[in-house]
Amino acid sequence: KAGVTQTPRYLIKTRGQQVTLSCSPISGHRSVSWYQQTPGQGLQFLFEYFSETQRNKGNFPGRFSGRQFSNSRSEMNVSTLELGDSALYLCASSLRPDGELFFGEGSRLTVL
Amino acid sequence: DAKTTQPNSMESNEEEPVHLPCNHSTISGTDYIHWYRQLPSQGPEYVIHGLTSNVNNRMASLAIAEDRKSSTLILHRATLRDAAVYYCILRDSGGSNYKLTFGKGTLLTVNP
Repeated sequence: KAGVTQTPRYLIKTRGQQVTLSCSPISGHRSVSWYQQTPGQGLQFLFEYFSETQRNKGNFPGRFSGRQFSNSRSEMNVSTLELGDSALYLCASSLRPDGELFFGEGSRLTVL
Repeated sequence: DAKTTQPNSMESNEEEPVHLPCNHSTISGTDYIHWYRQLPSQGPEYVIHGLTSNVNNRMASLAIAEDRKSSTLILHRATLRDAAVYYCILRDSGGSNYKLTFGKGTLLTVNP
């Protein structure tokens, strides 16, 4: 059974650019959530999707957005990148919103 | 969000039991206690969860205090592969907000 797949694994952007990260959940999982991990702030919840609907959103500015497609794949977008957006972005999927989370290996974003 | 308190770090020897404590004095009646761990360069991994009764699975045991204000994750025989950051998380099951709020976690070092 394939795990959660995140692409790209590594990317470098410059300030002001925008970035799109992709997450393919485990087959059959309809719930996808995103987290940002930095050394200073640890793991912080970004948002959660279930059946293409955003159910919860964390305390991040509007530059951070996401969506989920009918096949449960999800993307998150960060516009007007800032240096502080450099982080590991983790995606997790689960069968149900309250189910066990399965995390991907993350996309490491560096903003220069 | 209900918060948890964990020691920053703990050390253990290989093949010895490890008891990882977690305090959650503001836990509500609908909060489940979840444990996840994060191995180096990987996304978090589910370990175990429980509500009131002690729980066992192939990875670990979870002992929950009678008043639910604290819990302990027990690794019965630590191996080098158990070296990771362990997160104790409260997850509300009573509403629609199932997000995980991660704290700083406990860094477990296992000595050979």
